[in-house]
Order: sequence, then structure tokens, then C-alpha cells
Amino acid sequence: EVRLLESGGGLGQPGGSLRLSCTTSGFTFSNYAMNWVRQTPGKGLEWVAGLGLSPDDTYYTDSVKGRFTISRDNSKNTLYLQIDSLTAEDSALYYCAKDREPYSPPNYFDSWGQGILVSVSS
Amino acid sequence: EIVLTQSPATLSLSPGERATLSCRASQSVFNYLAWYQQRPGQAPRLLIYDVSTRAPGIPARFSGSGSGTDFTLTISTLEAEDFAIYFCQQRSRWPRSFGQGTRLDIK
Repeated sequence: EVRLLESGGGLGQPGGSLRLSCTTSGFTFSNYAMNWVRQTPGKGLEWVAGLGLSPDDTYYTDSVKGRFTISRDNSKNTLYLQIDSLTAEDSALYYCAKDREPYSPPNYFDSWGQGILVSVSS
Repeated sequence: EIVLTQSPATLSLSPGERATLSCRASQSVFNYLAWYQQRPGQAPRLLIYDVSTRAPGIPARFSGSGSGTDFTLTISTLEAEDFAIYFCQQRSRWPRSFGQGTRLDIK
């Protein structure tokens, strides 16, 4: 059974940093692209970052470029999202999501974690 | 960025009825469109990808159609567990993007 478990969220200060982690099991992590998707009541679902099989195969939505860094540790079956220069607009429920097809770039998301809440406030 | 516009925002139907949900793209996404279902308190679940291919374990009452810029998710006979929010998503261009969702309510 595929399992994804996010951690590392919580309260962050404007201008500060947070690092989210997603520990996975139940599939060959190194064979799949992985993604971060966030959700807010106002903006709905927003794909924010994706990572292919190689470390430099990264993709970001425009609003987070230069502030978010997605990475993976295949030895630990873990995905990360480093969030720098936090703003109130980064407050959301962040989901880790596995891509549907192996050996492909981020496309469709067939398994999701339960999400981790990030709140940005002074 | 490709903007996906879903309609209606809310659809109120009764169990046993047929539901038709729409997703329109700001430019062609060819056949690279998926649908997700999100129940309260749960993460989204992939229902359909590449317009019309059901994901494993998805019942046959869910079907997708369309091409280019106009797409439809049809639920042939609504069951109680189908009342949820539905999102479309495109993988044609970066960044990947979602529609704002259609809430399917019990009438």
C-alpha cells in the first residue's frame, strides 16, 4: 500500500523559512516524480512544485520560484520542500503527491498524503 | 499559465440522478486532462486521466470526455459517496494547474 506522510509544517514568521518533509513507503520511490500541491479555501488547489527523477529536473509555479526548493533523498524515500521568504500567501495545507506513471515528469497525481498545515503570521 | 474554469460552481442533485460537470481551458490542453474527487477532510483522489481513462478502482459510473479546451465529467447514476468536490487538472503545459472546483451537493 502506498503511503505518504507529510511533516514539518506549523507556524512560520513572515520572511522566515520552513522545511516540509514527505516520507513515503509502498512503492519504488526513486522511479517516480513527486510533487507538492497546496490548498486554501480561497485559491483552491495549487500545484507548487514538481521533481523528476534527477535532482535538477525541477519545476515550480511562478509565484514560488526563487523561494521554494524541492528535493528528494532516494536513500530515505523522502521528498522535501524548503520554503524561504515566507509570506502570508504561503499559508495553506500542503500535500505531497506521487506521480501516476514511473519514469515520467510530473503529470498526474495518483497518491496523496493527508496534508500538513503551514500558517504564516507574525 | 493555463487557466481551467469549472462550471457550475455548485451542483445540487439527488442520488440516482446523472451529474454533468464542465471544465474549460484557456488554451488547448489536447487530451492532457484529469479529474479528481475530494471528500470532506480527505485528500484529492485521482478519478480519470488523459480525458477518459479511469484510474484503478474507479467505478464505471464515472466517465470523461472532451478535447482541446472543453471537457466533461459525467457521473451516470449518483450514489451517496459521490457528493464531494471535483477538480480538473491539466498536464499540457507548465505550471500544472487545477480548476477551482465544482461542489456536488445532495438536493
